[in-house]
Amino acid sequence: NAGVTQTPKFQVLKTGQSMTLQCAQDMNHNSMYWYRQDPGMGLRLIYYSASEGTTDKGEVPNGYNVSRLNKREFSLRLESAAPSQTSVYFCASSETWTLQETQYFGPGTRLLVL
Amino acid sequence: AQSVTQLDSHVSVSEGTPVLLRCNYSSSYSPSLFWYVQHPNKGLQLLLKYTSAATLVKGINGFEAEFKKSETSFHLTKPSAHMSDAAEYFCVVSDIGRQLTFGSGTQLTVLP
Repeated sequence: NAGVTQTPKFQVLKTGQSMTLQCAQDMNHNSMYWYRQDPGMGLRLIYYSASEGTTDKGEVPNGYNVSRLNKREFSLRLESAAPSQTSVYFCASSETWTLQETQYFGPGTRLLVL
Repeated sequence: AQSVTQLDSHVSVSEGTPVLLRCNYSSSYSPSLFWYVQHPNKGLQLLLKYTSAATLVKGINGFEAEFKKSETSFHLTKPSAHMSDAAEYFCVVSDIGRQLTFGSGTQLTVLP
């Protein structure tokens, strides 16, 4: 099993450009998540999908959109990138959306917006 | 609202000596608590979790943590540090909202 995979691993954008970060999991998990990690701040939840067909905002959703394409895939889109969106983005998945559930993380996408 | 405070941003220990990474939490509900580890340029990996069963939780690679409700703490310990333990460690809380709240992280350095 590959677990949680993310593409691309690294991306450089100019301000105003758009891009989509891709995430896929092969663990048959129902719930998927997108986080961003900034220095000294831990991880913050951008959006999540508790189950296929549903998406909800997390702590920092502004400037992002998501699509739960199917049970395996959950993409994050930046419509008009801004320098403040320079960060490391992590996708995660869990079997269900409960408070005791372990989340499994992908290797991350490093995004630099100039 | 839930919150997590990791009391040390950096901890340095010598190889073979004990490790203590401190975490305090705030929650209005009976929380679940986790410790995750992140090695350089890698994703996060679960070390251990507390889910209201035993208060002393054992994890991978010899780590353990004790849930102390009266002190609202969930400190991570290991009796003897190894060079491979050098990484960033995150304390995480989850309560009725079911969203994870991460601490700001503790960078562990292990000196030879």
